[in-house]
Amino acid sequence: QITLKESGPTVVKPTQTLTLTCTLSGLSLSTTGVGVGWIRQPPGKALEWLALIYWDDDTRYSPSLKSRLTITKDTSRSQVVLTMTNMDPVDTATYYCAHKNTQLTDDALDVWGQGTMVTVAS
Amino acid sequence: SYELTQPLSVSVALGQTARITCGGNNIGNNNVYWYQQKPGQAPVLVIYRDRYRPSGIPERFSGSNSGNTATLTISRAQAGDEADYYCQVWDSSTYVFGTGTKVTVL
Repeated sequence: QITLKESGPTVVKPTQTLTLTCTLSGLSLSTTGVGVGWIRQPPGKALEWLALIYWDDDTRYSPSLKSRLTITKDTSRSQVVLTMTNMDPVDTATYYCAHKNTQLTDDALDVWGQGTMVTVAS
Repeated sequence: SYELTQPLSVSVALGQTARITCGGNNIGNNNVYWYQQKPGQAPVLVIYRDRYRPSGIPERFSGSNSGNTATLTISRAQAGDEADYYCQVWDSSTYVFGTGTKVTVL
């Protein structure tokens, strides 16, 4: 059974850098076809995709946020880390990580973490 | 950038059929994915590759995709189907989510 869990600060100040960690179990980040993505959802609003990293370290970013985002992985620790610079109150949202397996369900995000709420406030 | 448009809300009587549309330019040329999100919970994949159901998703959920519209159909709607539903495509190596539809079961 694949599970993902997000962790990180619940509050950050404007202009600070946010670092979130997604810890996975039940799968290896080195398995061909596996990817992990980050998605956020401001309160009462729609889902917004942020970034994705594949088993082979290939990365993809939302064009509108690319300049502020970095996604990396530590295969030995089964973790994927997202950093977002220059945080602003409009970045207040629940941040989710999710699993992708191109060999099973193509581009679906088939398993999601529970999400972590991040508030940007001074 | 690619955009996906969904109706803000859909209402369905208990036991009847709900249809949720997802509009996008030539969306029929993309694989479409659908997620169900209940209040306070993470999204759950209910349809992948236009019409396939992951393990554990009831047969009452079905999908279709053609032209400029993809559709998620919920047959024999139950109270537990009340949720927000999002469509999604993978376009130009980026994920695009729809605007979301709130389904109310009356």
